[in-house]
Amino acid sequence: DGGITQSPKYLFRKEGQNVTLSCEQNLNHDAMYWYRQDPGQGLRLIYYSQIVNDFQKGDIAEGYSVSREKKESFPLTVTSAQKNPTAFYLCASSNGDSGNTIYFGEGSWLTVV
Amino acid sequence: QKEVEQNSGPLSVPEGAIASLNCTYSDRGSQSFFWYRQYSGKSPELIMFIYSNGDKEDGRFTAQLNKASQYVSLLIRDSQPSDSATYLCAVNIEGSNYKLTFGKGTLLTVNP
Repeated sequence: DGGITQSPKYLFRKEGQNVTLSCEQNLNHDAMYWYRQDPGQGLRLIYYSQIVNDFQKGDIAEGYSVSREKKESFPLTVTSAQKNPTAFYLCASSNGDSGNTIYFGEGSWLTVV
Repeated sequence: QKEVEQNSGPLSVPEGAIASLNCTYSDRGSQSFFWYRQYSGKSPELIMFIYSNGDKEDGRFTAQLNKASQYVSLLIRDSQPSDSATYLCAVNIEGSNYKLTFGKGTLLTVNP
C-alpha cells in the first residue's frame, strides 16, 4: 500500500534525552514536512524538505533537527534543547502538483516524563 | 505574518442539516486552498482543494472560494454524526516554497 509511515506511534522521553521520530513514504513525493500540533491548536511547521540533501526551517525549528539522505525518509530528532516537546507530531509529503496537496502520516505522540 | 483564520467553534448542527465552515486569509497572493478533516487523536485527511473562484462540489461537500473577499468556505450537506470532527483550512501562499499555512480549525458537532 502507498502511504506515509510514522514510528513510533507513542514515545516517552525523559528530560535531557534526544529522541528521533521516523517518517518513511513510498509515494515518490519530492517534498516532505514535519508539523507539530498541540491540543486545541493548529498545525505549526517545524522543518520541510523539497529535495534530497536539502531542508529548510519552518516556523518553530528551534530544538529540532532533521536529515534528508533519501527521498523516502525524513527523520525528525527532538533534542534536549526543545523545552516543551510534548505534542502530536505529523509527518507529511507532497509532489507539488494539484496546488501542492499535502498528505499526512498517522502521527506520533511524544510525551515527556 | 501570513494568517489563516477560522472560528474555533464548536459549531453544532442537527443531523441532515447543512454545516457551513468559514475561513479567511490575509495574503492576497494565496493560490491554493485546502480543507482537511481531523478526527480526535487522528491525523488530518484531505477533503478537497480549490484554486479558482467559485464553487467546487464533491459528493456532499462544496468548497467556495472568493479571492476578492479573501475567504474560502466548506459546506457539508445532509450532515451526519460521522462528520463530527475538526475541520482545518489550509492555504498555499505565493512564494512559500511548497508550504501550507493552517488555520486552527473549527470543531463541528452533528447531533443525531
